[in-house]
Amino acid sequence: DAKTTQPPSMDCAEGRAANLPCNHSTISGNEYVYWYRQIHSQGPQYIIHGLKNNETNEMASLIITEDRKSSTLILPHATLRDTAVYYCIVSGNTPLVFGKGTRLSVIA
Amino acid sequence: EAGVAQSPRYKIIEKRQSVAFWCNPISGHATLYWYQQILGQGPKLLIQFQNNGVVDDSQLPKDRFSAERLKGVDSTLKIQPAKLEDSAVYLCASSAHSGLLYGYTFGSGTRLTVV
Repeated sequence: DAKTTQPPSMDCAEGRAANLPCNHSTISGNEYVYWYRQIHSQGPQYIIHGLKNNETNEMASLIITEDRKSSTLILPHATLRDTAVYYCIVSGNTPLVFGKGTRLSVIA
Repeated sequence: EAGVAQSPRYKIIEKRQSVAFWCNPISGHATLYWYQQILGQGPKLLIQFQNNGVVDDSQLPKDRFSAERLKGVDSTLKIQPAKLEDSAVYLCASSAHSGLLYGYTFGSGTRLTVV
């Protein structure tokens, strides 16, 4: 079973920041937080991962709380192409276990 | 680099028939995964290969599903006989190593409809 809790859906206006929350209160010390997204009719795509510190790459930023019990994925300037299901996954070194994710709809 | 290739893209079969899916991972990727994604749900792991050996097949329904990865490169997933509840998208993914830090690359999947 997935170890994370995410809202089932969110809307975001095009050009605004999209902030996707994830709760992982049972995370262990050696487990990372991973984010993947799945655009319609495609396989999931890796976005970003982190352990303790905040992380940023060309796609997004990941903010992890100090107690590591929750995190937020930030898409700084959402576009229509960011409409997708976003999965937050917590894992050590075992295969990814996907929950139902958050369906993000970016609205023009 | 080329992505993970899967074929066919779509398949419709009648229940009790057999079907096979093919996956060609990214060149050099040692680890290969098959996931099943039922409509409205997240992908569920069926089997993990490391080179040509099975690492984890605990969630593979072995009475009807089988998978192989000959020579540690391409892989096939077979269902025989198919049931209505096998209707799903079958996703193949590969990674350079078994560790998650290297990231998974997924193919676009095969959409199976069993009627």
